[in-house]
Amino acid sequence: NAGVTQTPKFRVLKTGQSMTLLCAQDMNHEYMYWYRQDPGMGLRLIHYSVGEGTTAKGEVPDGYNVSRLKKQNFLLGLESAAPSQTSVYFCASSRPRTSGGNTDTQYFGPGTRLTVL
Amino acid sequence: AQSVTQPDIHITVSEGASLELRCNYSYGATPYLFWYVQSPGQGLQLLLKYFSGDTLVQGIKGFEAEFKRSQSSFNLRKPSVHWSDAAEYFCAVGDGGATNKLIFGTGTLLAVQP
Repeated sequence: NAGVTQTPKFRVLKTGQSMTLLCAQDMNHEYMYWYRQDPGMGLRLIHYSVGEGTTAKGEVPDGYNVSRLKKQNFLLGLESAAPSQTSVYFCASSRPRTSGGNTDTQYFGPGTRLTVL
Repeated sequence: AQSVTQPDIHITVSEGASLELRCNYSYGATPYLFWYVQSPGQGLQLLLKYFSGDTLVQGIKGFEAEFKRSQSSFNLRKPSVHWSDAAEYFCAVGDGGATNKLIFGTGTLLAVQP
């Protein structure tokens, strides 16, 4: 049981280049999330998905697109990378909110460190 | 809107000393509260969580946290710190919606002196 995995671990891009980050989870979780982590700012939600084929914007969605074609995978795309997108990107997954109303735990991947020159 | 404040950006403690990391939240209803730890170069690992019930929550690695509604706080404690506890600690609050979204604090970086 690998949990949440992210590919690649590191990447360097030039301004204007595109790339896709892959997140995969083997816990059969319905919900998946993409965050970025910047020094002194904690984690901020970029996009999230509550199920296969559905996505929604988070707090900082500009410049990113996502897709959830399969339940176990959540892709984050940068169409035209900018230096402001230099960050560490984390993917997470969770089960749906329980019938009793409790928010469920998010499980995180190891992160992707992206540098845009 | 919900928010989380971690007032201490950086804390240094001696090995064996006690630890308390502060977390204050802003939330209208009963909050869902979490503490995560991030070791250098790693992802986030859940230490403990509070949903309801007993306000003193036990977690992994000897950590505990106490929910105090009157102070809007959820401080993390450990009676005796080990060198391996050096890491960054994040407090988070669930947004209460159906999507399990979390709002994170800015983190506290813990250094442990020998």
